[in-house]
Amino acid sequence: NAGVMQNPRHLVRRRGQEARLRCSPMKGHSHVYWYRQLPEEGLKFMVYLQKENIIDESGMPKERFSAEFPKEGPSILRIQQVVRGDSAAYFCASSPSGGGGNIQYFGAGTRLSVL
Amino acid sequence: QQQVKQSPQSLIVQKGGISIINCAYENTAFDYFPWYQQFPGKGPALLIAIRPDVSEKKEGRFTISFNKSAKQFSLHIMDSQPGDSATYFCAASLQTGANNLFFGTGTRLTVIP
Repeated sequence: NAGVMQNPRHLVRRRGQEARLRCSPMKGHSHVYWYRQLPEEGLKFMVYLQKENIIDESGMPKERFSAEFPKEGPSILRIQQVVRGDSAAYFCASSPSGGGGNIQYFGAGTRLSVL
Repeated sequence: QQQVKQSPQSLIVQKGGISIINCAYENTAFDYFPWYQQFPGKGPALLIAIRPDVSEKKEGRFTISFNKSAKQFSLHIMDSQPGDSATYFCAASLQTGANNLFFGTGTRLTVIP
C-alpha cells in the first residue's frame, strides 16, 4: 500500500509564474490536508478537502492560492503569480475519514523555490 | 497566534540519556495530541499520540505525559539513540470540525554518541 505521494519533490519557479503541486492520498483515503512549512518553523494548516469539496480553507491566503480534489485524480494546490515569500515546503496529508483524532499520514513534501 | 507552543527549540543529548520536549496549548477544546518525527528531506511521521482522558501513554522508548489542568504535554525519549536525531513536532486538534492539526514550532534533537 503506497503512502501519500507528492510530486514534484522539488519545484523551481521564477516570480510571476504558476506552481502546481500534486498529491495522491493513500489508497482508500478520501480526506486531504495541505500544510506549508517555512524554514525553521512548524507546519501551518492551509486547506482541508474531501473529494470534490473544500471543507475548510481558513488557512489559505486569500489571493493567488487555490486547491482542488477532483473525483478522479490527485489533489492539486495551485499558486498563481508566485512571489519569493511563497518559497517553502508544502506537505499533503491524508486520512481515511474526517473528524477529531484521525491519523494524518504525510507525504514527503514539495519544496518550492521562487527565484 | 501560535496555538501550540513548543520548547526547547533545539536539544542535544548524549546516547543513552533522556530527551524531554515540552508543549503547551491554550484551547481547551483540543482533544487529540500527536507527536510527529521528521527527518531532513522527509515528511512528518506520526510517532505517538494521546487523548486527554489519560495522563500518560507509553510506546517502547517513547512516552507522552499529559497534564490537562496545566494544558501541557511532553514527550520523553528514554535511552536516546543517534538514530533518534530528528526534528520533533507536537500538535493538537479539535474533536469536532475539520480535524486540521495545529503544530508547535519543532525541536531539533541531536543525540551524540
